[in-house]
Amino acid sequence: DAMVIQNPRYQVTQFGKPVTLSCSQTLNHNVMYWYQQKSSQAPKLLFHYYDKDFNNEADTPDNFQSRRPNTSFCFLDIRSPGLGDAAMYLCATSRLSGTGPLTDTQYFGPGTRLTVL
Amino acid sequence: GEDVEQSLFLSVREGDSSVINCTYTDSSSTYLYWYKQEPGAGLQLLTYIFSNMDMKQDQRLTVLLNKKDKHLSLRIADTQTGDSAIYFCAEKRGNQGGKLIFGQGTELSVKP
Repeated sequence: DAMVIQNPRYQVTQFGKPVTLSCSQTLNHNVMYWYQQKSSQAPKLLFHYYDKDFNNEADTPDNFQSRRPNTSFCFLDIRSPGLGDAAMYLCATSRLSGTGPLTDTQYFGPGTRLTVL
Repeated sequence: GEDVEQSLFLSVREGDSSVINCTYTDSSSTYLYWYKQEPGAGLQLLTYIFSNMDMKQDQRLTVLLNKKDKHLSLRIADTQTGDSAIYFCAEKRGNQGGKLIFGQGTELSVKP
């Protein structure tokens, strides 16, 4: 089945220790998104890639970076995690330039829950 | 304002109908979505409605859209215990590539 995969599902890191979260997709979608979701809050968009074009949200801290080496993979790098970065990180994908009602609809992976000690 | 608003909690009995409400802010939003999130899981797309529609029905789900009041609702008929989850409404602002703005989610609790 075509899907969005996130690894690992649970990640524990230490305060200040860099961490990388991974997302892959078999949907061949050209857009990939990273969201941060803190407990009992709405998901908040950090940034997205439209093909290779990186689009950062204005209020995303510099501590958060992303890489997309190819269509299928996208990584979220947190350079120096703080206690406030503990959250669920959700990856999503969508397909632009297509036709039909579900074009541009975002499909989410299961998320990676990050704990910062 | 920027916020998409939802009530935080809803409790119903199994077999009853559930109605989850949402108000959004951008009258130019093209699509409005309902996502379901079970504990510890990602967001599952439930249904969507295009902004030129008033209603959409999909099996047990009915979406109603009142553009004038910027009000969206999701009705779940014959609610089951497996429907217990957090339900997020989201509006897509802008054209292709527009960002999704989520409400804070409504936690639906279904009691047997």
